[in-house]
Amino acid sequence: EAGVAQSPRYKIIEKRQSVAFWCNPISGHATLYWYQQILGQGPKLLIQFQNNGVVDDSQLPKDRFSAERLKGVDSTLKIQPAKLEDSAVYLCAGRSSSYEQYFGPGTRLTVT
Amino acid sequence: AQSVAQPEDQVNVAEGNPLTVKCTYSVSGNPYLFWYVQYPNRGLQFLLKYITGDNLVKGSYGFEAEFNKSQTSFHLKKPSALVSDSALYFCAVRGMDSNYQLIWGAGTKLIIKP
Repeated sequence: EAGVAQSPRYKIIEKRQSVAFWCNPISGHATLYWYQQILGQGPKLLIQFQNNGVVDDSQLPKDRFSAERLKGVDSTLKIQPAKLEDSAVYLCAGRSSSYEQYFGPGTRLTVT
Repeated sequence: AQSVAQPEDQVNVAEGNPLTVKCTYSVSGNPYLFWYVQYPNRGLQFLLKYITGDNLVKGSYGFEAEFNKSQTSFHLKKPSALVSDSALYFCAVRGMDSNYQLIWGAGTKLIIKP
């Protein structure tokens, strides 16, 4: 069984630039999460999808962040324009039918 | 309010000794509890969970955790620590909403010394 794929693994951009992250969860995982993880902290939920619909985006900074999962499989998270405080690891996870979440390796974003 | 507490930022254990990483929670209803491990520059990896049944649950890499309802705790344990167990450990509990979101602890850094 293939794991959760994320790309890129690392990204360095200047503030005010835009960036996009891609995620492909384990096949069959209808629920997909995007998290932001600041170094040394627990993950913070940004958005939750169920298939191609948004379940919860209450913690997504919508003035600069957007996400989509058009076909209910892979997903893209975008930041435009980026701020210095967006420097973090962005994690994607899919939820199995037995409730545990399976995470990708993450994308480490550095905004300079 | 629903919450998860990991009272220790860091736990230091000598290799071969037993280890315990503590977690307490506050959530209404029956909790679904999880432990995840994060190695450097890696995503979070599922270790074990408690949903119902036996209070002692066994997971990956020889880890186990004990659910204690009266103390609202779910401590992670291992009888004999390995240097390779050194990592960041997160406890999480399913929130009591319909979205099955996890409430995460702040993490505990486990350092196993040879």
